[in-house]
Amino acid sequence: SQTIHQWPATLVQPVGSPLSLECTVEGTSNPNLYWYRQAAGRGLQLLFYSVGIGQISSEVPQNLSASRPQDRQFILSSKKLLLSDSGFYLCAWSVSVYEQYFGPGTRLTVT
Amino acid sequence: GENVEQHPSTLSVQEGDSAVIKCTYSDSASNYFPWYKQELGKRPQLIIDIRSNVGEKKDQRIAVTLNKTAKHFSLHITETQPEDSAVYFCAASQGATGKLIFGQGTTLQVKP
Repeated sequence: SQTIHQWPATLVQPVGSPLSLECTVEGTSNPNLYWYRQAAGRGLQLLFYSVGIGQISSEVPQNLSASRPQDRQFILSSKKLLLSDSGFYLCAWSVSVYEQYFGPGTRLTVT
Repeated sequence: GENVEQHPSTLSVQEGDSAVIKCTYSDSASNYFPWYKQELGKRPQLIIDIRSNVGEKKDQRIAVTLNKTAKHFSLHITETQPEDSAVYFCAASQGATGKLIFGQGTTLQVKP
């Protein structure tokens, strides 16, 4: 069966520091991969999605970037964090244009 | 682009009553409408979904209805239980990428 991992689970970083969040999927090939952000008490905002290695589409202009170096690995990065980057970051996968499943998430606090 | 509006933002019901959450979408090309349940501090869990070629889908106490003409869809939970208390999100999707546009969420409280 398919499994999705995210790490770290929680992270506290100072403003201006870099960021790297990792997501990996097991048990499937060539999944669609997504990064979402959820601010405290708010809905989910799509940040990036990828339909294949090296293919990244950005939904919201911001100081974040994403990369997909391997088929089942999706990385979210920033060179300099802002206070507004705090939130719950969720990676998701799908093997079709339909059912999408979320990872456990990374809770990021920028201080 | 697609926009999804969800109502109400909060909903409180007595155990055993029914709960209904409604969403409207703007893009008539959207063809897939999932519902997610998110418990406090946890990841969203897919609980039911419907595709645009179907008007209604049911899974035990949960059902979803879709009105393509009016561009709205609804989640119905019958015989609510305290463990149904959570935040529920609707979403809409269209195109080859499957990217989801979410509603703002509904906090459902089921009182014992």
